[in-house]
Amino acid sequence: EAQVTQNPRYLITVTGKKLTVTCSQNMNHEYMSWYRQDPGLGLRQIYYSMNVEVTDKGDVPEGYKVSRKEKRNFPLILESPSPNQTSLYFCASSSRWRNEKLFFGSGTQLSVL
Amino acid sequence: AQKVTQAQTEISVVEKEDVTLDCVYETRDTTYYLFWYKQPPSGELVFLIRRNSFDEQNEISGRYSWNFQKSTSSFNFTITASQVVDSAVYFCALNLGKAAGNKLTFGGGTRVLVKP
Repeated sequence: EAQVTQNPRYLITVTGKKLTVTCSQNMNHEYMSWYRQDPGLGLRQIYYSMNVEVTDKGDVPEGYKVSRKEKRNFPLILESPSPNQTSLYFCASSSRWRNEKLFFGSGTQLSVL
Repeated sequence: AQKVTQAQTEISVVEKEDVTLDCVYETRDTTYYLFWYKQPPSGELVFLIRRNSFDEQNEISGRYSWNFQKSTSSFNFTITASQVVDSAVYFCALNLGKAAGNKLTFGGGTRVLVKP
Protein backbone atom coordinates (compact mmCIF):
# COMPACT_ATOMS: atom_id res chain seq x y z
CA GLU A 1 0.00 0.00 0.00
CA ALA A 2 1.34 3.42 -0.99
CA GLN A 3 1.89 5.46 2.12
CA VAL A 4 3.85 8.03 4.05
CA THR A 5 4.71 6.82 7.53
CA GLN A 6 5.55 9.15 10.38
CA ASN A 7 6.70 8.19 13.83
CA PRO A 8 5.90 8.74 16.57
CA ARG A 9 2.22 9.65 16.43
CA TYR A 10 2.40 11.47 19.76
CA LEU A 11 5.43 12.87 21.56
CA ILE A 12 5.77 14.78 24.79
CA THR A 13 9.18 16.15 25.63
CA VAL A 14 10.89 18.87 27.63
CA THR A 15 12.60 22.02 26.51
CA GLY A 16 16.07 21.46 25.12
CA LYS A 17 15.94 17.70 24.72
CA LYS A 18 16.86 16.79 21.16
CA LEU A 19 14.32 14.77 19.24
CA THR A 20 13.78 13.33 15.78
CA VAL A 21 10.51 12.69 14.00
CA THR A 22 10.91 10.11 11.27
CA CYS A 23 9.20 10.10 7.90
CA SER A 24 9.37 7.37 5.32
CA GLN A 25 7.58 6.87 1.99
CA ASN A 26 7.35 3.75 -0.14
CA MET A 27 6.38 5.38 -3.45
CA ASN A 28 9.87 6.27 -4.71
CA HIS A 29 8.92 9.94 -4.60
CA GLU A 30 11.52 12.61 -5.24
CA TYR A 31 9.81 15.41 -3.31
CA MET A 32 9.38 15.34 0.43
CA SER A 33 8.45 18.09 2.83
CA TRP A 34 7.50 18.90 6.39
CA TYR A 35 4.63 21.09 7.57
CA ARG A 36 3.45 22.26 10.94
CA GLN A 37 -0.17 22.97 11.75
CA ASP A 38 -1.23 25.61 14.25
CA PRO A 39 -4.77 26.81 15.03
CA GLY A 40 -5.94 29.54 12.69
CA LEU A 41 -2.77 29.39 10.63
CA GLY A 42 -3.41 26.26 8.62
CA LEU A 43 -0.32 24.30 7.66
CA ARG A 44 2.98 25.98 6.97
CA GLN A 45 5.96 24.45 5.23
CA ILE A 46 9.10 23.98 7.35
CA TYR A 47 11.56 22.36 4.94
CA TYR A 48 11.40 20.55 1.67
CA SER A 49 13.62 18.29 -0.40
CA MET A 50 13.53 17.90 -4.14
CA ASN A 51 15.81 14.86 -4.17
CA VAL A 52 18.50 13.04 -2.21
CA GLU A 53 20.99 15.44 -0.61
CA VAL A 54 18.93 18.45 -1.77
CA THR A 55 17.03 20.33 0.92
CA ASP A 56 15.76 23.88 1.25
CA LYS A 57 13.97 26.08 3.73
CA GLY A 58 10.26 26.59 3.68
CA ASP A 59 8.35 29.38 5.40
CA VAL A 60 9.14 28.52 9.03
CA PRO A 61 12.51 26.73 9.22
CA GLU A 62 13.87 28.28 12.44
CA GLY A 63 14.65 25.71 15.09
CA TYR A 64 14.46 22.72 12.73
CA LYS A 65 16.89 20.63 10.73
CA VAL A 66 16.34 17.99 8.10
CA SER A 67 18.43 15.54 6.12
CA ARG A 68 17.82 13.51 2.99
CA LYS A 69 20.43 10.79 2.81
CA GLU A 70 18.10 8.26 1.24
CA LYS A 71 15.23 8.80 -1.12
CA ARG A 72 12.63 7.21 1.12
CA ASN A 73 13.47 8.95 4.40
CA PHE A 74 13.21 12.57 5.46
CA PRO A 75 13.61 12.99 9.23
CA LEU A 76 12.79 16.21 11.05
CA ILE A 77 15.22 17.12 13.80
CA LEU A 78 14.62 19.50 16.67
CA GLU A 79 17.99 19.94 18.33
CA SER A 80 16.77 22.12 21.18
CA PRO A 81 12.97 22.08 21.25
CA SER A 82 11.10 24.99 22.76
CA PRO A 83 7.45 25.32 23.79
CA ASN A 84 6.62 27.35 20.67
CA GLN A 85 7.37 24.23 18.64
CA THR A 86 4.41 22.49 20.20
CA SER A 87 2.37 21.70 17.12
CA LEU A 88 0.96 19.04 14.82
CA TYR A 89 3.52 18.02 12.22
CA PHE A 90 2.91 16.46 8.83
CA CYS A 91 5.31 14.90 6.40
CA ALA A 92 4.37 14.83 2.72
CA SER A 93 5.77 13.39 -0.49
CA SER A 94 5.09 13.63 -4.20
CA SER A 95 6.42 12.41 -7.52
CA ARG A 96 8.41 14.73 -9.78
CA TRP A 97 6.05 13.76 -12.58
CA ARG A 98 2.89 14.52 -10.59
CA ASN A 99 4.41 17.00 -8.25
CA GLU A 100 1.18 18.77 -7.57
CA LYS A 101 -0.34 15.79 -5.78
CA LEU A 102 1.00 15.43 -2.27
CA PHE A 103 0.61 12.39 -0.08
CA PHE A 104 0.51 13.18 3.63
CA GLY A 105 1.51 11.14 6.63
CA SER A 106 -0.87 10.72 9.58
CA GLY A 107 0.73 13.49 11.59
CA THR A 108 2.82 13.76 14.76
CA GLN A 109 1.43 15.69 17.71
CA LEU A 110 4.39 17.19 19.57
CA SER A 111 4.17 18.85 22.97
CA VAL A 112 7.22 20.60 24.36
CA LEU A 113 6.93 21.36 28.07
CA ALA B 1 3.84 35.74 -2.85
CA GLN B 2 0.88 33.45 -2.70
CA LYS B 3 -1.84 33.53 -0.11
CA VAL B 4 -5.04 31.65 0.67
CA THR B 5 -7.82 33.14 2.77
CA GLN B 6 -10.65 31.21 4.36
CA ALA B 7 -12.68 33.94 5.98
CA GLN B 8 -15.01 31.60 7.87
CA THR B 9 -13.30 30.14 10.91
CA GLU B 10 -16.26 28.07 12.05
CA ILE B 11 -19.65 27.15 10.64
CA SER B 12 -22.35 25.34 12.55
CA VAL B 13 -25.31 23.75 10.75
CA VAL B 14 -28.04 21.28 11.44
CA GLU B 15 -27.96 17.97 9.61
CA LYS B 16 -29.35 18.09 6.05
CA GLU B 17 -28.59 21.76 5.65
CA ASP B 18 -26.25 22.83 2.86
CA VAL B 19 -23.01 24.53 3.77
CA THR B 20 -20.66 26.53 1.56
CA LEU B 21 -17.04 27.13 2.46
CA ASP B 22 -15.33 30.12 0.93
CA CYS B 23 -11.77 30.17 -0.36
CA VAL B 24 -10.02 33.14 -1.95
CA TYR B 25 -6.48 32.84 -3.24
CA GLU B 26 -3.80 35.21 -4.42
CA THR B 27 -1.04 34.49 -6.90
CA ARG B 28 0.57 36.14 -9.87
CA ASP B 29 1.34 32.83 -11.52
CA THR B 30 -0.81 31.67 -14.38
CA THR B 31 -0.21 27.99 -13.67
CA TYR B 32 -1.22 26.74 -10.27
CA TYR B 33 -3.21 24.04 -8.52
CA LEU B 34 -5.96 24.39 -5.96
CA PHE B 35 -6.88 21.82 -3.38
CA TRP B 36 -9.37 21.06 -0.68
CA TYR B 37 -8.48 18.81 2.22
CA LYS B 38 -10.63 17.51 5.04
CA GLN B 39 -9.25 16.97 8.52
CA PRO B 40 -11.60 14.90 10.66
CA PRO B 41 -11.23 14.78 14.45
CA SER B 42 -8.76 11.89 14.08
CA GLY B 43 -6.31 14.40 12.63
CA GLU B 44 -5.24 13.00 9.29
CA LEU B 45 -5.52 15.03 6.10
CA VAL B 46 -7.91 13.64 3.56
CA PHE B 47 -7.52 14.81 -0.03
CA LEU B 48 -10.84 15.91 -1.56
CA ILE B 49 -10.10 17.59 -4.86
CA ARG B 50 -7.36 19.11 -7.02
CA ARG B 51 -7.99 21.68 -9.73
CA ASN B 52 -5.45 23.17 -12.10
CA SER B 53 -5.68 26.79 -13.15
CA PHE B 54 -6.68 25.96 -16.70
CA ASP B 55 -9.71 23.95 -15.74
CA GLU B 56 -12.56 26.14 -14.61
CA GLN B 57 -15.22 23.49 -14.83
CA ASN B 58 -17.22 23.05 -11.70
CA GLU B 59 -17.19 19.60 -10.24
CA ILE B 60 -19.64 17.50 -8.31
CA SER B 61 -18.77 14.39 -6.38
CA GLY B 62 -21.71 12.95 -4.49
CA ARG B 63 -22.77 15.55 -1.95
CA TYR B 64 -19.67 17.65 -2.57
CA SER B 65 -19.36 20.32 -5.24
CA TRP B 66 -16.75 22.91 -6.08
CA ASN B 67 -17.08 26.26 -7.82
CA PHE B 68 -13.83 27.58 -9.32
CA GLN B 69 -13.93 31.16 -10.57
CA LYS B 70 -10.67 32.66 -11.80
CA SER B 71 -12.30 36.06 -12.28
CA THR B 72 -12.77 36.36 -8.52
CA SER B 73 -9.85 34.10 -7.50
CA SER B 74 -12.21 31.88 -5.60
CA PHE B 75 -12.56 28.14 -5.18
CA ASN B 76 -15.61 27.55 -3.03
CA PHE B 77 -16.76 24.20 -1.67
CA THR B 78 -20.35 23.20 -0.97
CA ILE B 79 -21.58 20.25 1.03
CA THR B 80 -25.16 19.44 0.16
CA ALA B 81 -27.46 17.82 2.71
CA SER B 82 -24.77 17.80 5.37
CA GLN B 83 -24.29 14.84 7.69
CA VAL B 84 -22.73 14.51 11.12
CA VAL B 85 -19.77 12.73 9.52
CA ASP B 86 -18.99 15.92 7.62
CA SER B 87 -17.93 17.55 10.88
CA ALA B 88 -14.28 18.39 10.36
CA VAL B 89 -11.84 21.16 9.59
CA TYR B 90 -11.60 21.90 5.88
CA PHE B 91 -8.54 23.44 4.29
CA CYS B 92 -8.17 25.15 0.96
CA ALA B 93 -4.64 25.18 -0.44
CA LEU B 94 -2.66 26.55 -3.38
CA ASN B 95 0.35 24.94 -5.07
CA LEU B 96 2.53 26.69 -7.63
CA GLY B 97 4.33 23.49 -8.57
CA LYS B 98 8.02 22.70 -8.90
CA ALA B 99 9.09 26.32 -9.29
CA ALA B 100 7.95 27.03 -5.75
CA GLY B 101 9.37 23.86 -4.22
CA ASN B 102 6.05 22.15 -4.64
CA LYS B 103 4.85 23.98 -1.57
CA LEU B 104 1.25 23.94 -0.55
CA THR B 105 0.09 27.27 0.86
CA PHE B 106 -2.86 26.62 3.13
CA GLY B 107 -5.68 28.79 4.30
CA GLY B 108 -6.38 28.94 8.01
CA GLY B 109 -9.11 26.32 7.76
CA THR B 110 -12.85 26.33 8.40
CA ARG B 111 -14.25 24.17 11.14
CA VAL B 112 -17.62 22.70 10.21
CA LEU B 113 -19.86 21.37 12.94
CA VAL B 114 -22.90 19.43 11.80
CA LYS B 115 -25.42 18.89 14.57
CA PRO B 116 -27.91 16.04 14.45
